[in-house]
Amino acid sequence: EVQLVESGGGLVQPGGSLRLSCAASGFTFNNYWMIWVRQGPGKGLEWMAYINQDGSVIHYMDSVKGRFTISRDNAKNSLYLQMNSLRAEDTAVYYCATVITRAAFDYWGQGTLVTVSS
Amino acid sequence: QSALTQPPSASGSPGQSVTISCTGTSSDVGGYNYVSWYQQHPGKAPKLMIYEVTKRPSGVPDRFSGSKSGNTASLTVSGLQAEDEADYYCCSYAGSHNYVVFGGGTKLTVL
Repeated sequence: EVQLVESGGGLVQPGGSLRLSCAASGFTFNNYWMIWVRQGPGKGLEWMAYINQDGSVIHYMDSVKGRFTISRDNAKNSLYLQMNSLRAEDTAVYYCATVITRAAFDYWGQGTLVTVSS
Repeated sequence: QSALTQPPSASGSPGQSVTISCTGTSSDVGGYNYVSWYQQHPGKAPKLMIYEVTKRPSGVPDRFSGSKSGNTASLTVSGLQAEDEADYYCCSYAGSHNYVVFGGGTKLTVL
């Protein structure tokens, strides 16, 4: 069974940092591009960053460029999102997902909530 | 980048068909055949229902179908069932810089 399990969310003050993790199982992790997508409270979906199979291709949404870093460890079947200089508008549920083709994300984790507040 | 435009709500009775539209531009929906649709029940993760405009992942009922004309994509749900009540989001590839753009979501109510 395919599983993606996010962890690392929580309450952080503005300007603070968090590192999200996404543990993958049930499929060949290093065969897939991966993406982080977030959803603010009561809002729609927004992609954050994606990474190819070996980490040689990485792209960020403009609003997080320079603040967020996506990475992966294929030996540990894990995806990460290092988030620095957090702002109130970064408050959201963060999902990791597999990418099967452009704009198509087929397996999703359950999400981890990040709350940025003083 | 601007979100794709979806109606905030749609509704239909059990057994009926409903179509949800998703309007973009020639830089996203109209420019590529990479439009997908996601279903999201409250408190749950999104689920891929349609990709590459018309393709259904394994396990998605054929009651769900996708199409595109110009800058507007559509999701049609036929034979509405109670469990189809959810939020639906469209998504389109938008080129190598913007990557993808999502719609604002449509709340589908089964009356």
